[in-house]
Amino acid sequence: EAGVVQSPRYKIIEKKQPVAFWCNPISGHNTLYWYRQNLGQGPELLIRYENEEAVDDSQLPKDRFSAERLKGVDSTLKIQPAELGDSAVYLCASRKGGKNTEAFFGQGTRLTVV
Amino acid sequence: ELKVEQNPLFLSMQEGKNYTIYCNYSTTSDRLYWYRQDPGKSLESLFVLLSNGAVKQEGRLMASLDTKARLSTLHITAAVHDLSATYFCAGLSGTYKYIFGTGTRLKVLA
Repeated sequence: EAGVVQSPRYKIIEKKQPVAFWCNPISGHNTLYWYRQNLGQGPELLIRYENEEAVDDSQLPKDRFSAERLKGVDSTLKIQPAELGDSAVYLCASRKGGKNTEAFFGQGTRLTVV
Repeated sequence: ELKVEQNPLFLSMQEGKNYTIYCNYSTTSDRLYWYRQDPGKSLESLFVLLSNGAVKQEGRLMASLDTKARLSTLHITAAVHDLSATYFCAGLSGTYKYIFGTGTRLKVLA
């Protein structure tokens, strides 16, 4: 079974430019997460989807970040415009429904803003 | 809100030695997860602990959960170089949000 697939793996952009990340979760997983991981720290949640509904976006900086999960499968996370402080690894994870299931993470996209 | 703290943050140990990583959490979280992350890689699920007293073992790693003490431990037995990685614990909030600790960077020296 394929895992969570993310692209691109690496992205270098200049500040003020837009950038987008794509995630394809594990088939059948209703819950999708976007996390940001700064260097030397644990991942922090940006947004959680249940199917196509964003049920927790309280930590998403909505002035510059947006996300969508059309048809409740693939998801895109966008930053516009990017700032230097956005440099981090952006991780996508998915989880099957049910209380006792675990989340599986993709390889992540390493963003460098210069 | 749930907070998760790990210690130590860094751990350098000799091969063959035993050690324990501690994970404390602030509010009720009756599920606790352990993940491993190699440099430049994603998080790999190691253990899912679902109830008080749960103990799981895989190879040289053993994880346990004490929900009354709000403590989980990851015990390493007879460490080998291949175990060098960063280990994260994570609790699950009431809104199904995974809250991660800052991680323990383990280096096993030959």
